[in-house]
Amino acid sequence: NAGVTQTPKFRVLKTGQSMTLLCAQDMNHEYMYWYRQDPGMGLRLIHYSVGEGTTAKGEVPDGYNVSRLKKQNFLLGLESAAPSQTSVYFCASSHHASGSSTGELFFGEGSRLTVL
Amino acid sequence: QQQVKQSPQSLIVQKGGISIINCAYENTAFDYFPWYQQFPGKGPALLIAIRPDVSEKKEGRFTISFNKSAKQFSLHIMDSQPGDSATYFCAASGHTGGFKTIFGAGTRLFVKA
Repeated sequence: NAGVTQTPKFRVLKTGQSMTLLCAQDMNHEYMYWYRQDPGMGLRLIHYSVGEGTTAKGEVPDGYNVSRLKKQNFLLGLESAAPSQTSVYFCASSHHASGSSTGELFFGEGSRLTVL
Repeated sequence: QQQVKQSPQSLIVQKGGISIINCAYENTAFDYFPWYQQFPGKGPALLIAIRPDVSEKKEGRFTISFNKSAKQFSLHIMDSQPGDSATYFCAASGHTGGFKTIFGAGTRLFVKA
């Protein structure tokens, strides 16, 4: 079982370059999330989606855009990368059935991004 | 604004000892409080979770204690083992706002053999 798959796993960018991180899940989950992890900061929510075609801002959305054109995919874009966006990015998904939420997040293995 | 505060940042425990990690939250709308475990190079994975209608939940060597009135919860790892060495995150989420899960800053646990 693949679960949540993130690509690429590693990427080095120069300031001002753009890139897209791809997240794919095969669990038919409605909800998908992008987090960034920085030392001493924990996991901070960038953007999330409650279903195909929907997106919403999280705690730290500035400098990022997302799209959820297909239920199984959630893309995170950086239009003009900055050194402050050097981080490890995690995608997660969850299943929430009406009236019986489990709340568990299933994470990918992360994408390490360095912006020079 | 840190909605979930976690302490300590790091913890060293002898093998067989008890590891205790504490968290406090602010938003009373939270109704699900999970703990995630993360090993180096991996994504976090759910370890144990509790809802506010119970004060304690135990799964094997792992126990969550929950104090709703104080808005605090803690993770206790009994008989800590070197294999428990990892980063632990407390978190909170609720039915409002898309079930967003807010994480604490994390605790790096090292269990000495």
